[in-house]
Amino acid sequence: GAVVSQHPSWVICKSGTSVKIECRSLDFQATTMFWYRQFPKQSLMLMATSNEGSKATYEQGVEKDKFLINHASLTLSTLTVTSAHPEDSSFYICSARDPRLAGRNEQFFGPGTRLTVL
Amino acid sequence: GQQLNQSPQSMFIQEGEDVSMNCTSSSIFNTWLWYKQDPGEGPVLLIALYKAGELTSNGRLTAQFGITRKDSFLNISASIPSDVGIYFCAGRQTSTSGSRLTFGEGTQLTVNP
Repeated sequence: GAVVSQHPSWVICKSGTSVKIECRSLDFQATTMFWYRQFPKQSLMLMATSNEGSKATYEQGVEKDKFLINHASLTLSTLTVTSAHPEDSSFYICSARDPRLAGRNEQFFGPGTRLTVL
Repeated sequence: GQQLNQSPQSMFIQEGEDVSMNCTSSSIFNTWLWYKQDPGEGPVLLIALYKAGELTSNGRLTAQFGITRKDSFLNISASIPSDVGIYFCAGRQTSTSGSRLTFGEGTQLTVNP
């Protein structure tokens, strides 16, 4: 149980285009989803936290107009990188959590999406 | 912001050896978690610790939540080649505004057969 999927696994796009990444909780309802980015050989950096049905809370330094997050249902959150540039190339990982699940109060991570912007 | 100092940064060991890594912080955490990440994959939760002093095992893995709540260690006994990967500690703090995970910088483990 507690499986989180991401789509796509990897994407290559041209500079200036927008890219949407989906994060789904497959066997539980995620009241909260988190979006991280990870540069090579570095740790995970939290970008934003989203609660179902409400606006995402962005970490300091993360542009909310550039990284649009939608958490419209209990099983799906999307991250849209708008007007992507090469410096946005990174590994984007989502995680999901449902604190209502007894003993399952942890974040479960998706497999990540590798974004390369040319 | 909160910082977690994870060490060592990388380790090269022989199969069968034991491994130890730790995380320390100047801040107090309510929960300590240990994850393993394989290349191109998301982190997978290994062990979760919820109480100061707690010692928890998961197979060959053992982790402890420090008494001061500012540190944690992870031990791997009798390492095998599939233990290769990056191990991250993460500390969680909970407040009225919600909970937040802070990750360590990771320990890259290489196991030579």
